[in-house]
Amino acid sequence: DGGITQSPKYLFRKEGQNVTLSCEQNLNHDAMYWYRQDPGQGLRLIYYSQIVNDFQKGDIAEGYSVSREKKESFPLTVTSAQKNPTAFYLCASGGRIQETQYFGPGTRLLVL
Amino acid sequence: GESVGLHLPTLSVQEGDNSIINCAYSNSASDYFIWYKQESGKGPQFIIDIRSNMDKRQGQRVTVLLNKTVKHLSLQIAATQPGDSAVYFCAERDTGGFKTIFGAGTRLFVKA
Repeated sequence: DGGITQSPKYLFRKEGQNVTLSCEQNLNHDAMYWYRQDPGQGLRLIYYSQIVNDFQKGDIAEGYSVSREKKESFPLTVTSAQKNPTAFYLCASGGRIQETQYFGPGTRLLVL
Repeated sequence: GESVGLHLPTLSVQEGDNSIINCAYSNSASDYFIWYKQESGKGPQFIIDIRSNMDKRQGQRVTVLLNKTVKHLSLQIAATQPGDSAVYFCAERDTGGFKTIFGAGTRLFVKA
């Protein structure tokens, strides 16, 4: 069953805590992306990676970090520096040439 | 379920009618456009795409129209069904760019 998986579906963060959101794809896509979605707004790009061991900041990277050690995986860490982390986080992947991005099911992050 | 699109423009249609969802894009250099469907609490799902060298493209029950002169994109859904109820948003991408710009979306509500 091919596609993009994200876990967990819901995540709760305590103040001052770092949390990591998982994203895995078996589509053999080179590029992977992390977006944040807030009610009534379009998706905003946090980080993206075009190839293994390389990633670039998006529009709202402050308070977030990523790694790309494997082609299939692109985890996102929400650090304590992110003061307003409550949102729906979406991971996407796409081939370099094929430009369409395909999305995972999302992770909803809530602050306790 | 979670709402991913509070305070969005809403289109309400009767089951069986045709739906037209509009999108104004921002970048005159954009040459690739995508429509996504997002159901509550889920990740966006690819519907159809179009490149700037075309002005119309048809899929199964869906048609995308592109008017580059006025930077306008529309999605037409034929014989709208209750399962079509969701938030629909367009996305644009420019030549050689790795960044995709997403609109905030329109909520489609289908009345049975």
